[in-house]
Amino acid sequence: GAVVSQHPSWVICKSGTSVKIECRSLDFQATTMFWYRQFPKQSLMLMATSNEGSKATYEQGVEKDKFLINHASLTLSTLTVTSAHPEDSSFYICSARQGEQYFGPGTRLTVT
Amino acid sequence: AQSVTQLDSQVPVFEEAPVELRCNYSSSVSVYLFWYVQYPNQGLQLLLKYLSGSTLVKGINGFEAEFNKSQTSFHLRKPSVHISDTAEYFCAVSDLDNTDKLIFGTGTRLQVFP
Repeated sequence: GAVVSQHPSWVICKSGTSVKIECRSLDFQATTMFWYRQFPKQSLMLMATSNEGSKATYEQGVEKDKFLINHASLTLSTLTVTSAHPEDSSFYICSARQGEQYFGPGTRLTVT
Repeated sequence: AQSVTQLDSQVPVFEEAPVELRCNYSSSVSVYLFWYVQYPNQGLQLLLKYLSGSTLVKGINGFEAEFNKSQTSFHLRKPSVHISDTAEYFCAVSDLDNTDKLIFGTGTRLQVFP
């Protein structure tokens, strides 16, 4: 079946630093990937749609300069949280589309 | 705007008992409906989906869901659960014109006890 991985699964960073999260489709090519954010006890919220070779489309209220998305190849999209602050601490989940969306296991970001 | 409500944050049940996880949605347009399951440390996996046709949808692992348009519900059921069904379950909707944008509920934690 279609498998999506994320790296790292858990990361702690200091306030003011940047952190990069990778999303890979392991056994298929995905022209479109998605990034979600999940707060505790809340639903997944779509942050942005990442298209290979073009700029990402961000949802309303998501700061594109803070959450940089790069979809450089058909199997890799990256999310960089720039100048992270404690309020950016969250669970970030990606998905890749091959017909339906296939989800990665998520990355827990803690900003201290 | 669409929204999804999963009223039960946790559902405890004994093994081999039946279970129903509730999902209600709100939308001004027709929607597609989905149920996803998330096992610990894994990504969301599609259980089943309703696109059109029969309102009773059968999915993987013995789960089924029924679309009720008048009650705007899409409850998930299983007649006999197993310990291995312990997981987080998410209901989601998308509108017909933008199937990429999934709107998720807050999830229901199903805990199956021996």
